[in-house]
Amino acid sequence: DVKVTQSSRYLVKRTGEKVFLECVQDMDHENMFWYRQDPGLGLRLIYFSYDVKMKEKGDIPEGYSVSREKKERFSLILESASTNQTSMYLCASTQWAGANEQFFGPGTRLTVL
Amino acid sequence: EDKVVQSPLSLVVHEGDTVTLNCSYEVTNFRSLLWYKQEKKAPTFLFMLTSSGIEKKSGRLSSILDKKELSSILNITATQTGDSAIYLCAVDMNTGFQKLVFGTGTRLLVSP
Repeated sequence: DVKVTQSSRYLVKRTGEKVFLECVQDMDHENMFWYRQDPGLGLRLIYFSYDVKMKEKGDIPEGYSVSREKKERFSLILESASTNQTSMYLCASTQWAGANEQFFGPGTRLTVL
Repeated sequence: EDKVVQSPLSLVVHEGDTVTLNCSYEVTNFRSLLWYKQEKKAPTFLFMLTSSGIEKKSGRLSSILDKKELSSILNITATQTGDSAIYLCAVDMNTGFQKLVFGTGTRLLVSP
């Protein structure tokens, strides 16, 4: 079974802190994605990556950056966390662009105080 | 602006009822429509639909796409409490990277 893991289920940070969210997939998938999920807004794409060291902005990239140094790992970075970045963050991966589905990790609920 | 709209936003039914969840979309490019079920954690894949009028079925769940109406429905028959979840609809924008646009979801609660 494909497994997508995220480094933390719950995280509490303070405004201005630098925050790293890690995602690892174990099925050699090409594409990886970071979403945030907020009530009433659904899942919104922050960034995605289609290869090592390659990244593309999604719909809401402001305030975020990403890193993909190895194929299996995709990191989301909040350079200076703000309260409006309190959210559920979901990582996903897919084998290739025409694949049937994206496989999701369990999510990280981030609270910024 | 590309958008996916789901209705109703939430729904409460009794065990054994049949429910129909709706998804409509307005996107510049369309490759496929996907349904996911989200319980307390990771969304799990249910169906991918690419062709109009062809029903996909898995147990008590079924779904169909209407490209003329730019919509899809997800049916659940003989609902059980384990069907309680958020059901997400997403459209693949055919960008070559499987960029998905999600709806806000329908929260289904099945009471015993």
